[in-house]
Amino acid sequence: GAGVSQSPSNKVTEKGKDVELRCDPISGHTALYWYRQSLGQGLEFLIYFQGNSAPDKSGLPSDRFSAERTGGSVSTLTIQRTQQEDSAVYLCASSLNQGAIKETQYFGPGTRLLVL
Amino acid sequence: DQQVKQNSPSLSVQEGRISILNCDYTNSMFDYFLWYKKYPAEGPTFLISISSIKDKNEDGRFTVFLNKSAKHLSLHIVPSQPGDSAVYFCAATNSGYALNFGKGTSLLVTP
Repeated sequence: GAGVSQSPSNKVTEKGKDVELRCDPISGHTALYWYRQSLGQGLEFLIYFQGNSAPDKSGLPSDRFSAERTGGSVSTLTIQRTQQEDSAVYLCASSLNQGAIKETQYFGPGTRLLVL
Repeated sequence: DQQVKQNSPSLSVQEGRISILNCDYTNSMFDYFLWYKKYPAEGPTFLISISSIKDKNEDGRFTVFLNKSAKHLSLHIVPSQPGDSAVYFCAATNSGYALNFGKGTSLLVTP
């Protein structure tokens, strides 16, 4: 079946502009996660959505970052007034979250963001 | 602060030999550990995991060892194959969903 998809695959923007990154999780997966990987770093947790519960936003680095998940499926990560340090690969993952603790997260290919 | 550390950025191993990838962590609250494998231009894919109540978990050619007292885990691949060439990420969690990743180790298996 189809895996997690993300768009665009690459995005180049100018400092100060807003960007939107999209994630389509695996059908039927109720949990959705955003991570980012800056150059030379490991993946950094950003935000977690589970069904209709309030998202865990504890990993968002600043108030310029926000994310929403419409209809419990597609998610959009928005970065306002982008800065050069926002340049990274933004990865989305989803999991079934049927109550099983620590279940497998399935990752998309990522969006490579470059802020000039 | 980096709570999960992979101190070897790269490793080269001959086909058929054992590959050993190491990982250290600092947070004693971590109770679940995972290894992910990543090919270029793809997202990481889950490889193997281990709970803190165990010290070994095996799946085919892949074995993960956990030493809680040393806050150290390792991934053994035996025998290594050229298709195993990828970046391997160690990850840990205590919340069940927010994974803390290391920076990765790039493994190259040469014929």
